[in-house]
Amino acid sequence: QQQVKQSPQSLIVQKGGISIINCAYENTAFDYFPWYQQFPGKGPALLIAIRPDVSEKKEGRFTISFNKSAKQFSLHIMDSQPGDSATYFCAAETGANNLFFGTGTRLTVIP
Amino acid sequence: KAGVTQTPRYLIKTRGQQVTLSCSPISGHRSVSWYQQTPGQGLQFLFEYFSETQRNKGNFPGRFSGRQFSNSRSEMNVSTLELGDSALYLCASSLGGVSYNEQFFGPGTRLTVL
Repeated sequence: QQQVKQSPQSLIVQKGGISIINCAYENTAFDYFPWYQQFPGKGPALLIAIRPDVSEKKEGRFTISFNKSAKQFSLHIMDSQPGDSATYFCAAETGANNLFFGTGTRLTVIP
Repeated sequence: KAGVTQTPRYLIKTRGQQVTLSCSPISGHRSVSWYQQTPGQGLQFLFEYFSETQRNKGNFPGRFSGRQFSNSRSEMNVSTLELGDSALYLCASSLGGVSYNEQFFGPGTRLTVL
């Protein structure tokens, strides 16, 4: 079964808007939560990651919010740009280099 | 620094055949993980190798196997191919040794089974 649930499946945002992607998990052994960005024809690339001992991590326009009690985490992309148009995957790991991925969100930023 | 390379990039096989995919990690990386990406199942973990030893394995049948060489290069083999094995196979390398190292993905090998 899908160990990490991701929504929405697709997202269309105007340039300058905020893109929000949500993920949820059940396995409490997960303790590393990265987000990956994938462009067509390329492998996924790490965007930002968080450990469960913090509730928020920000890197530039990208912010992860983490709610340990609810077992949910989300990615916020501020001031979304057309170049951000890609597929985004949340993931979770137990520290064994075995990433469990969400199903992906295809983001389209309209100029 | 060169990234993760995978060969071949594209492959077409028929049912029942076997296939070997190759992955060269970033220099200095000792861990290589393999993933299968399909539209229906998304990205799924196959297995991970570190210092020539398989450390972790995902939920795939025994037809999927791998190995790692002393230079950290890795190969993945799929025997008795089925139509459902058509997918993008990605490998990722990391420093390994300690947890939560960033995994760097290659561009993948697109396998089509006819």
